[in-house]
Amino acid sequence: AQSVTQPDIHITVSEGASLELRCNYSYGATPYLFWYVQSPGQGLQLLLKYFSGDTLVQGIKGFEAEFKRSQSSFNLRKPSVHWSDAAEYFCAVGEMGAGSYQLTFGKGTKLSVIP
Amino acid sequence: DTEVTQTPKHLVMGMTNKKSLKCEQHMGHRAMYWYKQKAKKPPELMFVYSYEKLSINESVPSRFSPECPNSSLLNLHLHALQPEDSALYLCASRPDRVSLYGYTFGSGTRLTVV
Repeated sequence: AQSVTQPDIHITVSEGASLELRCNYSYGATPYLFWYVQSPGQGLQLLLKYFSGDTLVQGIKGFEAEFKRSQSSFNLRKPSVHWSDAAEYFCAVGEMGAGSYQLTFGKGTKLSVIP
Repeated sequence: DTEVTQTPKHLVMGMTNKKSLKCEQHMGHRAMYWYKQKAKKPPELMFVYSYEKLSINESVPSRFSPECPNSSLLNLHLHALQPEDSALYLCASRPDRVSLYGYTFGSGTRLTVV
């Protein structure tokens, strides 16, 4: 079974600074990888996804992520953080199991932004 | 329409009540999911419906009863819940080719059991 590790529980950055959120996965084949963002009390919004092809993936809100098979990583980056980016970020890996496609989430990284 | 709509947004119920959560999507997705999310935790899978048939039940207590009346609608019937069932309940759907759009999540129902 696959697993996802987000090593950082909480990250604080200043507005305008760059951001990198780490994600490591464990999966035998080429995984389907996702990053979701969740504002307090809200649902999850898909930022970007990787299935195959170009290992640098562009998403919404100026986010990008790079798939590195050798490091089993899919880190999320943004060159300049805005105060509105403060939220919880979840990395997820998808696989087919028990007859249906399933997502497994990491524990999440809470991002705080200092004005 | 590219949304998953969940109603109600908030629900407070007593331990002897019966209530239902509703989830609707009109994107033609044939797989629909219920997740439970406790505070400061990731979502945990509860049920998966594929082509209106229950395909996965992650050992969820019988006080939670899912129903998929048609391809656009997913319900979660609640009965005799416990205070520890208080959580954010999220619905999600996906197309057959998950690579097209990934999963789409609703904004959730915040359930409080008193």
